[in-house]
This record gives sequence, C-alpha cells and structure tokens, in this order.
Amino acid sequence: EIVLTQSPGTLSLSPGERVTLSCRASQSVSASYLAWYQQKPGQAPRLLIYGASSRATGIPDRFSGSGSGTDFTLTISRLEPEDFAVYYCQQYGSSPYTFGQGTKLEIK
Amino acid sequence: QITLKESGPTLVKPTQTLTLTCTFSGFSLSTSGVGVGWIRQPPGKALEWLALIYWDDDKRYSPSLKSRLTITKDTSKNQVVLTMTNMDPVDTATYFCARFTYYYYATDVWGQGTTVTVSS
Repeated sequence: EIVLTQSPGTLSLSPGERVTLSCRASQSVSASYLAWYQQKPGQAPRLLIYGASSRATGIPDRFSGSGSGTDFTLTISRLEPEDFAVYYCQQYGSSPYTFGQGTKLEIK
Repeated sequence: QITLKESGPTLVKPTQTLTLTCTFSGFSLSTSGVGVGWIRQPPGKALEWLALIYWDDDKRYSPSLKSRLTITKDTSKNQVVLTMTNMDPVDTATYFCARFTYYYYATDVWGQGTTVTVSS
C-alpha cells in the first residue's frame, strides 16, 4: 500500500501570500495518477489538480501542481479568502487508492 | 450535468450490516474508463478510500476493510451499492460516493455525502 504523507499538517497564512503544500509517497507514483482535492467544512471534496499538474475544469490558475516519483507539491500563488480549506492528495497508481492525511490552511 | 447522491440509514447498531446506495445521473457506468467509488470521512478526520467498481465490473477494495465490504453495480438503474458488515462505532463517518474516470485518473465528481452513526 502506498502511504501519502502531507506536510505540514496546518498552515496559518494571510490572504495574498504564496503557499506550497507537500505530498510525499512511500513509493514511486506515476505523475499521471496523482491528484489534489480541496475540501471546505461541510462540503464534499473538489478536484483541483489531476495528473500532478493539470488543473481541473474551472480551477483558477493561481493553483498549480508539480512533482514526480515520490515528491509532489501543490502551490497557490496568491491566497484568496475562499482558499482557506483542507487539501488532500490522492494516488490512483496502485490499489488501494490512498489519500494523504490532509493539510489545513487557516487564516492567520 | 453529472450528479451522484448517497442514500441509506443514518443510524445503525453495532454488528449490523450497512447498505448504502449511490444513485447517479449524467453518465453511464457501462462507458469504458468510468468507475464509481466510495470514500468515507470520520468526524474531524481525513478521507479514507474504501472501494471502487469499474465499468467492466472489476472491483478494488481497501485491504484493511476488504473482508467487510462488497461493492456492486446496477447499470440499468444507474446505481452502485456498498455493503459493510459488522459495523462498529469507529465506522461512524460521512460516506461519499464519487465518479472516477480514466480521463483524469482522479475522482472528478462527488456526491454530497451521507452521515452514518453507529451506536446502540
């Protein structure tokens, strides 16, 4: 089973700041099979990034993803108030299709 | 428009079997490259992937829960059913169903989730 470790667990930031979230896999994951999701309280997750670096439909270009092998990152270039949420990475390279434990972005 | 909606009991007793139904529209589970999966989230905790069924009836399960889970599909009714046996209070969670596609190799559309509490 591929374990995805996200860091940090919580980030306190201000609107306008740039942030990079990390997702590290216990074994190599094809970039094609790494996705990022955003979840706000009381809502279902929303697909942000697929294939490690492709934005899903309707996702603003301030969101970008990169990485390969075991190290992946999600960057938000300039935080908007609506970006404060929990972010999860997930891999579909190998079953079980595991999630990371999440990174919470909170307003400083 | 693609939608998925979960339905089932909100309260089950320990040792009982949980049956959840995902009813979807806007796509067909007979289309190559499509799947429907289940993910759960205990209160205040992270997402946990449970199971996925593909258009060709291939199935994948979380190894830690495999002995308790069964996922099936009824293509004609646009439904996917998840059963989980021997429910325990630690299974209290919001259960989501969601669509998977090879186009994204990701879960692109989610249901709103249904909350299940396990308590006597």
